[in-house]
Amino acid sequence: GENVEQHPSTLSVQEGDSAVIKCTYSDSASNYFPWYKQELGKGPQLIIDIRSNVGEKKDQRIAVTLNKTAKHFSLHITETQPEDSAVYFCPTIGADGLTFGKGTHLIIQP
Amino acid sequence: EAGVAQSPRYKIIEKRQSVAFWCNPISGHATLYWYQQILGQGPKLLIQFQNNGVVDDSQLPKDRFSAERLKGVDSTLKIQPAKLEDSAVYLCASSLELAGVGGELFFGEGSRLTVL
Repeated sequence: GENVEQHPSTLSVQEGDSAVIKCTYSDSASNYFPWYKQELGKGPQLIIDIRSNVGEKKDQRIAVTLNKTAKHFSLHITETQPEDSAVYFCPTIGADGLTFGKGTHLIIQP
Repeated sequence: EAGVAQSPRYKIIEKRQSVAFWCNPISGHATLYWYQQILGQGPKLLIQFQNNGVVDDSQLPKDRFSAERLKGVDSTLKIQPAKLEDSAVYLCASSLELAGVGGELFFGEGSRLTVL
């Protein structure tokens, strides 16, 4: 099955700065790349996704970029705010649903 | 639109006791999932239903866990008897289409189980 590596495991940034989380995948046939955000005490929520025929997608302060040649995609959050503090996941997609790794714990320092 | 509803939100039991969790998915969502999330880990799929049929239950510890989805809507997940290592948050999710084709999963807030 698909293997995805996510880095870093923990990221601490000052409020207002940018944050970047990267995922590297192995299956060149992969064509759908979602990002889920899990706030404390809640279930994960899809925040942005991208398909393989697109290189970049933006939604206000968040963006996802895809580099198919290098087989990696990244989540970019600009002008970080306290409510961005959460765990972010780039799950793999399979017939049995989504497979989640440990994610990235993003901490926004005041 | 109402989200995925789960109950109870919290449950504390002693080992060897039994517990049941309930999930009501978003109306019209054919696919329902139960995930187990241990503290500090990502969610792990336990079972996936398509309508009232099981698509995948390969990671469900069937000696103690059972799940059903009667009439293809609500679902219950039961643990009997519980072990200490079952302490986790049990997340229910639903989707309009199978996740394997890029369907978005909508998660409930989860049921936190503590086994003493």
